[in-house]
Amino acid sequence: SQQGEEDPQALSIQEGENATMNCSYKTSINNLQWYRQNSGRGLVHLILIRSNEREKHSGRLRVTLDTSKKSSSLLITASRAADTASYFCATRNTNAGKSTFGDGTTLTVKP
Amino acid sequence: GAVVSQHPSWVICKSGTSVKIECRSLDFQATTMFWYRQFPKQSLMLMATSNEGSKATYEQGVEKDKFLINHASLTLSTLTVTSAHPEDSSFYICSAPKLGQGSYEQYFGPGTRLTVT
Repeated sequence: SQQGEEDPQALSIQEGENATMNCSYKTSINNLQWYRQNSGRGLVHLILIRSNEREKHSGRLRVTLDTSKKSSSLLITASRAADTASYFCATRNTNAGKSTFGDGTTLTVKP
Repeated sequence: GAVVSQHPSWVICKSGTSVKIECRSLDFQATTMFWYRQFPKQSLMLMATSNEGSKATYEQGVEKDKFLINHASLTLSTLTVTSAHPEDSSFYICSAPKLGQGSYEQYFGPGTRLTVT
């Protein structure tokens, strides 16, 4: 079974609004990464957050990690139509080990 | 940033034939690479861990004899789908970890879309 579960499964918002996606996982982790995937394409790394970090920012992206609740969130502020994609979280329980992916959230940003 | 390439980007083959997919780390060495499969509108499922110089480690339910993995060098891993069938049609993605700022970041290839007719 998947390590991570993401919600919502699908999210539709207007351009300019913020989008929040959540990811929960079951076992202890070393780090968690968020990825973006456009339809039929490869994955693009967005942010990596380590287990001893609580929050990270990158441009319009903000990621939080709560290891006590085994959950993470990805916030995209001031969304753009070009942000339309699927977003996945992936956890690793060792530094360089395999990634276990959540089910993903499909984000649609309407212009 | 690190770059991982895959070749081919897409392939169509007939049932019963074999297809080889290459995964290369272009600007770093990777003793380990990972192979994933993704069905339409689904998440990525890890198939196997490719280890340079030793046998691959397969996830439960993945047939070793059907999905042959060879990690011939520190920059190349190959996945061969043997005797392909239509149900093997999928998007295959590899990744390789590279040490960044204190942590390994997984860099993914662009994927290979396999269609078996």
